[in-house]
Amino acid sequence: GAGVSQSPSNKVTEKGKDVELRCDPISGHTALYWYRQRLGQGLEFLIYFQGNSAPDKSGLPSDRFSAERTGESVSTLTIQRTQQEDSAVYLCASSPGPGTGSYNEQFFGPGTRLTVL
Amino acid sequence: KQEVTQIPAALSVPEGENLVLNCSFTDSAIYNLQWFRQDPGKGLTSLLLIQSSQREQTSGRLNASLDKSSGRSTLYIAASQPGDSATYLCAATNQAGTALIFGKGTTLSVSS
Repeated sequence: GAGVSQSPSNKVTEKGKDVELRCDPISGHTALYWYRQRLGQGLEFLIYFQGNSAPDKSGLPSDRFSAERTGESVSTLTIQRTQQEDSAVYLCASSPGPGTGSYNEQFFGPGTRLTVL
Repeated sequence: KQEVTQIPAALSVPEGENLVLNCSFTDSAIYNLQWFRQDPGKGLTSLLLIQSSQREQTSGRLNASLDKSSGRSTLYIAASQPGDSATYLCAATNQAGTALIFGKGTTLSVSS
């Protein structure tokens, strides 16, 4: 079946511009996560959605970062007034639902590579 | 706060060798632990998930173990092949179960 998809695959923007990154989770998955991976660094958690609500947004690095999810499906990560340190690969993951066990197995998309000039 | 460490950072082996990748985590109150493979320029592929109540999981030539009390997990790869060359990531849930905390990975190179 279809996996997690993300668009665009690559995005180059100028410092100070706003960008939107899109994630389409696996159909029926109620949990959705955003992570980022800066060059040479490990993956960092950004935000977790259960349905359309975000009970954990503790990883968002600043108020320039925001995310929303609609219809318990598509999610958009928005970065306002981009800075060079925002350059990274942004990865989205989904899992079947909350709780323990295999329901929490996360499946990742291919990522969006963001370059801020 | 959960922290995950992977040793070694890089490993080179000849084809056919059995090998072990190590992962340690600081907070034993995990929901589960997941091992991933990451190929250059690509996303993450889930290899194995071990629930907190389990001790190990197996898939083909891969076997992952979990010892919560010592905060350790190992990924055993049997009869390595050049196609196994990739970065292997270990990730443990945070205490709330809302996120995965990742190690920095072990980059494996298997030569033919």
